[in-house]
Amino acid sequence: EAGVTQFPSHSVIEKGQTVTLRCDPISGHDNLYWYRRVMGKEIKFLLHFVKESKQDESGMPNNRFLAERTGGTYSTLKVQPAELEDSGVYFCASTPLGRGPDYGYTFGSGTRLTVV
Amino acid sequence: DQQVKQNSPSLSVQEGRISILNCDYTNSMFDYFLWYKKYPAEGPTFLISISSIKDKNEDGRFTVFLNKSAKHLSLHIVPSQPGDSAVYFCAASATGGTSYGKLTFGQGTILTVHP
Repeated sequence: EAGVTQFPSHSVIEKGQTVTLRCDPISGHDNLYWYRRVMGKEIKFLLHFVKESKQDESGMPNNRFLAERTGGTYSTLKVQPAELEDSGVYFCASTPLGRGPDYGYTFGSGTRLTVV
Repeated sequence: DQQVKQNSPSLSVQEGRISILNCDYTNSMFDYFLWYKKYPAEGPTFLISISSIKDKNEDGRFTVFLNKSAKHLSLHIVPSQPGDSAVYFCAASATGGTSYGKLTFGQGTILTVHP
């Protein structure tokens, strides 16, 4: 089974530019999560999709961040315009629907975003 | 307000000895706890979990202990191996929350196992 795929793996952009991150979850996984780790700190929740619907977006920092999940398959996270504090590693994770919270996520390798 | 804390940024252990990684939490609504391991340039990998109705869960060399009254959990690795060197994250979930499965992570502890 293919894992969670994220691309690009790295992105360096200038402040004020737009960047779009993509996540392809494991096929059949209806739950899709976005997390972010900034500067070696804790990994923070951004949002949760169930299929194409946003279940919880309480962790989204502000309205410069827009997440979508077309048709309940892959997801994109757009940052527009990017600010310096948006730098970090963005992780995507997926799980099947109906699995309990003790069922570990499968994480992607992350996208390292650097805003200069 | 950090609800899950790993107060030791790093831990160094000799191969073959026990590694003990600690985690404290403040939110009494958390009812599941998980440990993840992360290698550089990779995503976190799930290791082991424990429900709040238990005080111990074991899987091979990994054992997680939960002390609910102290809001403290620990991960024991016995015996430690050089391949265990990684960043270890403690995470917690509140099933009664608005997002089932949403995890709150600690800052991570860098474990180094010396040959």
